[in-house]
Amino acid sequence: DTEVTQTPKHLVMGMTNKKSLKCEQHMGHRAMYWYKQKAKKPPELMFVYSYEKLSINESVPSRFSPECPNSSLLNLHLHALQPEDSALYLCASSQAGAGNQPQHFGDGTRLSIL
Amino acid sequence: AQKITQTQPGMFVQEKEAVTLDCTYDTSDPSYGLFWYKQPSSGEMIFLIYQGSYDQQNATEGRYSLNFQKARKSTNLVISASQLGDSAMYFCAMREGRGAQKLVFGQGTRLTINP
Repeated sequence: DTEVTQTPKHLVMGMTNKKSLKCEQHMGHRAMYWYKQKAKKPPELMFVYSYEKLSINESVPSRFSPECPNSSLLNLHLHALQPEDSALYLCASSQAGAGNQPQHFGDGTRLSIL
Repeated sequence: AQKITQTQPGMFVQEKEAVTLDCTYDTSDPSYGLFWYKQPSSGEMIFLIYQGSYDQQNATEGRYSLNFQKARKSTNLVISASQLGDSAMYFCAMREGRGAQKLVFGQGTRLTINP
């Protein structure tokens, strides 16, 4: 079992729906990440939160809206997504400011847009 | 230009043999970190091993070790005594700069262990 928990594991939604992906960690990490991974491709960074503040936004479309309500939780709010947004969404966490520490990943949410 | 290059899209190895997965990187920053992750078909990314740019010795972690050649900018992963459970996608990744948070991944190598 991973120490980063993502819910739901699978999500199917229409293009007009609003849904949220959730991520939780209890390792005391103060950096949290969202990645998008298309099939047979490497993960691509979307957002980074450091000490609950957004520190990196990799020019992600505004239909993806991240939120970090506290040091243990990270959400990704989804609205008006496109079929090309279908992918595996991975959450990760790490110690902030410690470049030699690995990022710990959750199992991911497999998202399908109809 | 690609920051991380993994030239082997797929590899097939007999069980119990050793296997080497290649990774080269490109950076002008003297401070960087190199990571290897394993991703089974279920999707989770599992951290395997880390090598820092200032580390004098090759990293080892159980059956995993790195052949870090700084001048050649390569960090190859060696898996000794391969097992069926080692079948997965393997990603090499780099973090540039001290304390930097962005992790850039290579394209990955799909490793298949044959019984």
